[in-house]
Amino acid sequence: GAGVSQTPSNKVTEKGKYVELRCDPISGHTALYWYRQSLGQGPEFLIYFQGTGAADDSGLPNDRFFAVRPEGSVSTLKIQRTERGDSAVYLCASSLSLAGVYNEQFFGPGTRLTVL
Amino acid sequence: SQQGEEDPQALSIQEGENATMNCSYKTSINNLQWYRQNSGRGLVHLILIRSNEREKHSGRLRVTLDTSKKSSSLLITASRAADTASYFCATLTGAGSYQLTFGKGTKLSVIP
Repeated sequence: GAGVSQTPSNKVTEKGKYVELRCDPISGHTALYWYRQSLGQGPEFLIYFQGTGAADDSGLPNDRFFAVRPEGSVSTLKIQRTERGDSAVYLCASSLSLAGVYNEQFFGPGTRLTVL
Repeated sequence: SQQGEEDPQALSIQEGENATMNCSYKTSINNLQWYRQNSGRGLVHLILIRSNEREKHSGRLRVTLDTSKKSSSLLITASRAADTASYFCATLTGAGSYQLTFGKGTKLSVIP
């Protein structure tokens, strides 16, 4: 079946603008995760959802970042008043569930955000 | 913050040779996973090893886990040019947390 998809694949914006990044998880996966990866680094956790609710948003860097998953499927990561330091690849992943030790997360191709 | 740390940061080998990458982590874990990433984009899951397992195989991949040393290794046998990528270890600490914590990765180059 289809994997995790993310749109857009690339987004260029100007400092101070608002952006939305979308993630479509694998059908039937109840858990969804957002990570951010800066150049030369490993991905860093931002937030994850179990169903519609944000189970852990401890990785969001500040209140300019917000994510929703209103129907328990598609998720949108929203960044207000973008800053140049927000430039990174934003990765989304999904897994069948949170519970259990077989928590294999399947990643999407990412959205490369560039803030000018 | 990043818990895992891969070693070496970069590795260059000839096609057909074996590649070994190591990962160290700091806290107790539920499981450890290895991912591959091409060209800085999507991550491909390679293998998951649980904290009560010591070794796992998948095709040309062999992963070991030593929880007493808080370390893991990934061995790729008979490497191919297509194995050229960055490899990351990621840990799941459990205890109510389901976020993966990644290391900085090892950049592997396999020369044809």
